[in-house]
Amino acid sequence: EAGVAQSPRYKIIEKRQSVAFWCNPISGHATLYWYQQILGQGPKLLIQFQNNGVVDDSQLPKDRFSAERLKGVDSTLKIQPAKLEDSAVYLCASSLSPDYYEQYFGPGTRLTVT
Amino acid sequence: GDSVTQMEGPVTLSEEAFLTINCTYTATGYPSLFWYVQYPGEGLQLLLKATKADDKGSNKGFEATYRKETTSFHLEKGSVQVSDSAVYFCALTSFSGGYNKLIFGAGTRLAVHP
Repeated sequence: EAGVAQSPRYKIIEKRQSVAFWCNPISGHATLYWYQQILGQGPKLLIQFQNNGVVDDSQLPKDRFSAERLKGVDSTLKIQPAKLEDSAVYLCASSLSPDYYEQYFGPGTRLTVT
Repeated sequence: GDSVTQMEGPVTLSEEAFLTINCTYTATGYPSLFWYVQYPGEGLQLLLKATKADDKGSNKGFEATYRKETTSFHLEKGSVQVSDSAVYFCALTSFSGGYNKLIFGAGTRLAVHP
């Protein structure tokens, strides 16, 4: 079974530029999550999708971050414009359903904003 | 709100030493508790879980017991190996808005040397 795929693995941009991350969850997983992991901290949930609908985006800075999950499969997370404090690893995870406890994580995208 | 506190790292041990990583939590209701592990360059993987008080989760020689009276879920292993070097995250599920949400601790880095 293929795992959660993410790209790119690394990205360096200047502040005020825009960037997009892509995630392909495990086949058949209805729930998809995006997390932000700042160096030295645990992952923090940004947004959760159930199929192609958003069920929790309370921690997403909506003035600069956006996310979509077209057709309930792949997802993209965008930052525009980026700030220095957005430097972090962005993790995508998926699970069978929102009340199923086990989440499967991708390798993450390490973003550096200079 | 719900939260998880882990002992600060790094924890540095010699091979075959005994490992304890402390984790305490604050939660309303009855959360499930987890330990995730992140090996260098990889995504988070579920290591073990416990869903109710006095449950013991175990996997790959690691164990943790859900202690409701002390709100703790300490991770232990009797004899660590170099291959156990990784970052370990304690986490709990927080039920909010009809969905389970994972809340992570800050992580504890373990370095095992020969």
